[in-house]
Amino acid sequence: DAGITQSPRHKVTETGTPVTLRCHQTENHRYMYWYRQDPGHGLRLIHYSYGVKDTDKGEVSDGYSVSRSKTEDFLLTLESATSSQTSVYFCAIGARGQGLREQYFGPGTRLTVT
Amino acid sequence: QKEVEQDPGPLSVPEGAIVSLNCTYSNSAFQYFMWYRQYSRKGPELLMYTYSSGNKEDGRFTAQVDKSSKYISLFIRDSQPSDSATYLCAMFPSGTYKYIFGTGTRLKVLA
Repeated sequence: DAGITQSPRHKVTETGTPVTLRCHQTENHRYMYWYRQDPGHGLRLIHYSYGVKDTDKGEVSDGYSVSRSKTEDFLLTLESATSSQTSVYFCAIGARGQGLREQYFGPGTRLTVT
Repeated sequence: QKEVEQDPGPLSVPEGAIVSLNCTYSNSAFQYFMWYRQYSRKGPELLMYTYSSGNKEDGRFTAQVDKSSKYISLFIRDSQPSDSATYLCAMFPSGTYKYIFGTGTRLKVLA
């Protein structure tokens, strides 16, 4: 998985609780992304980061926040989890030098909100 | 209408068949086109990418882009049971960092 780990790999949580997912990379890549994958929707971008403390929204950012205090870590926080946020979450990294053609994905976190 | 359309399948073929997987798109600004393979309960892995129009070949895989028709294809020759997976197309315009993915086509290659 190209030096990308995600934690936790599985989580069950209750509606209304905050949840933080972590993505860690050992590739020193500048760009990092958070996606969610749902049946019938494919992969949808939540937020992305183009450097330490530099982040921007994707197409489905409502209800999510991110932080990146170090190159290797990108955190995704669900401020108050809802059942509609039950999904599989993937982190990805991309290298500027390759013109961002290539993104490499982590193994995913399966989140269930009850 | 979604920016990228992809038939979800499933597509079942016998071993050794030639497989054709396709995506259509609506945004003429898309310049980079990628194909990812995703096995069940795994993250997507990059198979191939092409820039603008044309063909690209890598072993049993050929990626084809027809920008005039806004249509991209992935061909798999001599398909194997190990090719059974979901195949996702992805694309983005030059100068942005935001991929748009298709929903994926599930492929089953029968031994």
